[in-house]
Amino acid sequence: NAGVTQTPKFRVLKTGQSMTLLCAQDMNHEYMYWYRQDPGMGLRLIHYSVGEGTTAKGEVPDGYNVSRLKKQNFLLGLESAAPSQTSVYFCASSLQVPKQFFGPGTRLTVL
Amino acid sequence: AQSVTQPDIHITVSEGASLELRCNYSYGATPYLFWYVQSPGQGLQLLLKYFSGDTLVQGIKGFEAEFKRSQSSFNLRKPSVHWSDAAEYFCAVGGGTGTASKLTFGTGTRLQVTL
Repeated sequence: NAGVTQTPKFRVLKTGQSMTLLCAQDMNHEYMYWYRQDPGMGLRLIHYSVGEGTTAKGEVPDGYNVSRLKKQNFLLGLESAAPSQTSVYFCASSLQVPKQFFGPGTRLTVL
Repeated sequence: AQSVTQPDIHITVSEGASLELRCNYSYGATPYLFWYVQSPGQGLQLLLKYFSGDTLVQGIKGFEAEFKRSQSSFNLRKPSVHWSDAAEYFCAVGGGTGTASKLTFGTGTRLQVTL
């Protein structure tokens, strides 16, 4: 099992550009999550999904969109990137109890 | 609303010394509690979890944590620290059914180990 994988590992964008981060899991987990990690702030939940075709807002959803078209994939989109979105993004997945498995992260810099 | 406080931003210990990292939580019901470790440039790895039962839980890499309901705490301990334990440690609290398994994380404690 690969567990949770994230693509890409690193990305540099210019302000206003768009991009999509891909998260994939092979554990047949129902729940998937996107977090951002910033120094001194821990991990903050952006969006999450409780199953294929469903998404919900987390703590810091503004400026991001998500889609869960397939159970194993969870996409995070930035339509118009801003410097404030410079961060490390983590995807996670879980079954119905909150034991989450994390991907290796994507480091995004917005210039 | 659930919340987690890790009062120590940075801790330095000598190799071989004991370690205790503090975690206090706020949650309206019986919480699910977790400790994760993050090495530089890596994702988060689960060290241990508490769901119910014995309040002293054992985890990987020789770590343990004790759930104290009266103090709303879930402190992480290790009797003898190794240089490879240098990392950032996150405490997290979550609910059970009906909450979509959302976790709330503390801001982390960075552990430095001196030789």
